[in-house]
Amino acid sequence: AQKVTQAQTEISVVEKEDVTLDCVYETRDTTYYLFWYKQPPSGELVFLIRRNSFDEQNEISGRYSWNFQKSTSSFNFTITASQVVDSAVYFCALMGAGNMLTFGGGTRLMVKP
Amino acid sequence: SAVISQKPSRDICQRGTSLTIQCQVDSQVTMMFWYRQQPGQSLTLIATANQGSEATYESGFVIDKFPISRPNLTFSTLTVSNMSPEDSSIYLCSVADTKRNTIYFGEGSWLTVV
Repeated sequence: AQKVTQAQTEISVVEKEDVTLDCVYETRDTTYYLFWYKQPPSGELVFLIRRNSFDEQNEISGRYSWNFQKSTSSFNFTITASQVVDSAVYFCALMGAGNMLTFGGGTRLMVKP
Repeated sequence: SAVISQKPSRDICQRGTSLTIQCQVDSQVTMMFWYRQQPGQSLTLIATANQGSEATYESGFVIDKFPISRPNLTFSTLTVSNMSPEDSSIYLCSVADTKRNTIYFGEGSWLTVV
């Protein structure tokens, strides 16, 4: 069985602070994919990144960066210099065989001006 | 990435009625999925809908309550039958881009049952 845990249910920061969202996963699959999605108040799920289990390179995209550590089964997401527009619920998800996603519980990020 | 459109985007429904949600994709896809997100919760997979075969339902979801159609490679519908307030949720359609091993989502359909 697969499982994704986002221990932080809610985080509140002040604009321009850096913030890291944690994600820990469990799977028996040797090949799998990890995702982060952003869900703003409007409700749609916005794809942010996909990582496969064989690629442990960290990735940076603008103010966003991701740290994948297979040894600790973690795929953490950092927002640098947070902005009010970053306020949303962020979901980490795991896809093994079958193309079905297992989601974490989500982390609600509130960025205050 | 695939562009996925859902209708309706929002609706308020009377208990006991049924509502059909449509999902249209701008390209042909083999695998489509329907998820439910109850208020304040994470997403839960309802079923996988592949063209030309019966939908595969996850534990806790049954065809009588959530019938699904998949008439072609760009379209699917999910019906929420005999609705109760507990069915108030966001229902999201998603597709698998198997070339990129990525899953994309529609904008979601917000249903409120009164």
